[in-house]
Amino acid sequence: SQKIEQNSEALNIQEGKTATLTCNYTNYSPAYLQWYRQDPGRGPVFLLLIRENEKEKRKERLKVTFDTTLKQSLFHITASQPADSATYLCALDSGTGRRALTFGSGTRLQVQP
Amino acid sequence: DSGVTQTPKHLITATGQRVTLRCSPRSGDLSVYWYQQSLDQGLQFLIQYYNGEERAKGNILERFSAQQFPDLHSELNLSSLELGDSALYFCASSVSSSGRTDTQYFGPGTRLTVL
Repeated sequence: SQKIEQNSEALNIQEGKTATLTCNYTNYSPAYLQWYRQDPGRGPVFLLLIRENEKEKRKERLKVTFDTTLKQSLFHITASQPADSATYLCALDSGTGRRALTFGSGTRLQVQP
Repeated sequence: DSGVTQTPKHLITATGQRVTLRCSPRSGDLSVYWYQQSLDQGLQFLIQYYNGEERAKGNILERFSAQQFPDLHSELNLSSLELGDSALYFCASSVSSSGRTDTQYFGPGTRLTVL
């Protein structure tokens, strides 16, 4: 069956370091993958979209990679700040006729000052 | 502020009851999506409407139904409520029909508690 895996354990890092979050998937062939940020009790906020033919996408301090061979996306935040503390969700399309996104369960990032 | 509004913010009700959640999309967006988020299930896609028509269906129970009105606002109806329906319900909107590629803008959510 289709599965998206994000590390359920919180990631704790020091301010200024690079945070790297992982999204692995099985039995999907997504054409697109998106990353969202969610703060407690609030709706997710879109960050980046990457297409299957793009290896890497950047936006300010954020970088996303998409490896369709490994079936993995990595999400990097460089020069992390305490304000980056949140849960980060990856979302991908099912690759079939269904047009909706499927979200992973998210990884909580805690940046220590 | 995403521009998507949801009412009510909180809803407390009893098992067996029926509730209606309301969502107004961002100005200009034609698609509305409904999601359920619980602690053990994560964010689950329920249903998508595009310009008044059902576009995609996810893991939506038969007890749940939704519609999108001519003014593009949407309502999610939950009936015969069970304890397990307690969750955060999010509405999102996007400009086109493509849930795959569009940026989805999420509302603040409705927290439903079933006692």
